[in-house]
Amino acid sequence: DAGITQSPRYKITETGRQVTLMCHQTWSHSYMFWYRQDLGHGLRLIYYSAAADITDKGEVPDGYVVSRSKTENFPLTLESATRSQTSVYFCASSDIHRGNIQYFGAGTRLSVL
Amino acid sequence: DQQVKQNSPSLSVQEGRISILNCDYTNSMFDYFLWYKKYPAEGPTFLISISSIKDKNEDGRFTVFLNKSAKHLSLHIVPSQPGDSAVYFCAAPRSGAGSYQLTFGKGTKLSVIP
Repeated sequence: DAGITQSPRYKITETGRQVTLMCHQTWSHSYMFWYRQDLGHGLRLIYYSAAADITDKGEVPDGYVVSRSKTENFPLTLESATRSQTSVYFCASSDIHRGNIQYFGAGTRLSVL
Repeated sequence: DQQVKQNSPSLSVQEGRISILNCDYTNSMFDYFLWYKKYPAEGPTFLISISSIKDKNEDGRFTVFLNKSAKHLSLHIVPSQPGDSAVYFCAAPRSGAGSYQLTFGKGTKLSVIP
């Protein structure tokens, strides 16, 4: 199906484990973003990418790693998960021709025990 | 330093009445604003936007007003419907080279009571 999809939708892991959240979009949008949503904080930008092989830090990048070898994929890796990384993670994409409108995936709810 | 602020965490409105959601910003360089709507267990979806060259933008039941001198925008929903119950985020693109990044407010949870 066309659009932006995230997987898994739910994930439970333990402190210290590596976790990768996947994001795939079928629109060939140039820009992709990762956010986390926490109570009292709204949406905070973790990392973003302007194109394949171009990534940059957002507001809260510590503890996360991203890569973008293909335009359509933008995985987010927690190298050593901590309890403070328990959150809902959203991936988004945008097209330079449509300005700043970002289109979001359904989210991944991650619990770190 | 939060540059986009939504000071009301929640709002309850009767069905059929007007809902007014407010947003303040601190960066006078912001020249474009967006509102997103989010249902539980779903991602945010784009609702409406406004450019700083306008003071009003309307789309059906949704109208956004921008007061540049007060650095304030508001989203009006008339009439409110139970399906409008959701969290609403206002957002603005960061200025300069990172303009494709959005900075979001913390959100306001709207409950429309039947």
